[in-house]
Amino acid sequence: ETGVTQSPTHLIKTRGQQVTLRCSSQSGHNTVSWYQQALGQGPQFIFQYYREEENGRGNFPPRFSGLQFPNYSSELNVNALELDDSALYLCASSGGQGYNSPLHFGNGTRLTVT
Amino acid sequence: GQQVMQIPQYQHVQEGEDFTTYCNSSTTLSNIQWYKQRPGGHPVFLIQLVKSGEVKKQKRLTFQFGEAKKNSSLHITATQTTDVGTYFCNSGGSNYKLTFGKGTLLTVNP
Repeated sequence: ETGVTQSPTHLIKTRGQQVTLRCSSQSGHNTVSWYQQALGQGPQFIFQYYREEENGRGNFPPRFSGLQFPNYSSELNVNALELDDSALYLCASSGGQGYNSPLHFGNGTRLTVT
Repeated sequence: GQQVMQIPQYQHVQEGEDFTTYCNSSTTLSNIQWYKQRPGGHPVFLIQLVKSGEVKKQKRLTFQFGEAKKNSSLHITATQTTDVGTYFCNSGGSNYKLTFGKGTLLTVNP
């Protein structure tokens, strides 16, 4: 069984730039959720994708967008980066839509915005 | 959006002591999930509780879901250094605004 993989592991960007983070879901999982985790805080829900459609969104501005592909892998795109976007971005896959299925997290992408 | 509240925020114990963290919500939850995140790691799923009053055990860990399904607890008996990490509760269900609690950071003095 292949777990959730994320790339890159670390990234440094300048304010105003754009970034794309990638996630491959665990085999057999059709739902991907993205979370932002600031240092010392709990993961904050960004959005969820189920069968290539956005299936729920947290309190994040439109400059945070995503995609899910037919193989259930996913991308998180952030435009016009701000300093406060510096955080660990976690991708989690699950076996069903909604929030009744356990989340399986990847190791995350550490984004630093300078 | 609403958020489940976790207490305490930090807990430092001597190895062998017990530890409990609590998760509280003002609204009824459809289920509650517990995760552990080691320092520098990612959250790892521990368990999911669904039924009112449900109690589940995993070795030294005991998980409870309140009768009103508004609170939950995680109790660790006789902590070990391997228990170090942040414990998060997360509420599932159809309300996508619900997110993880802020977590309880457990440190264990050997």
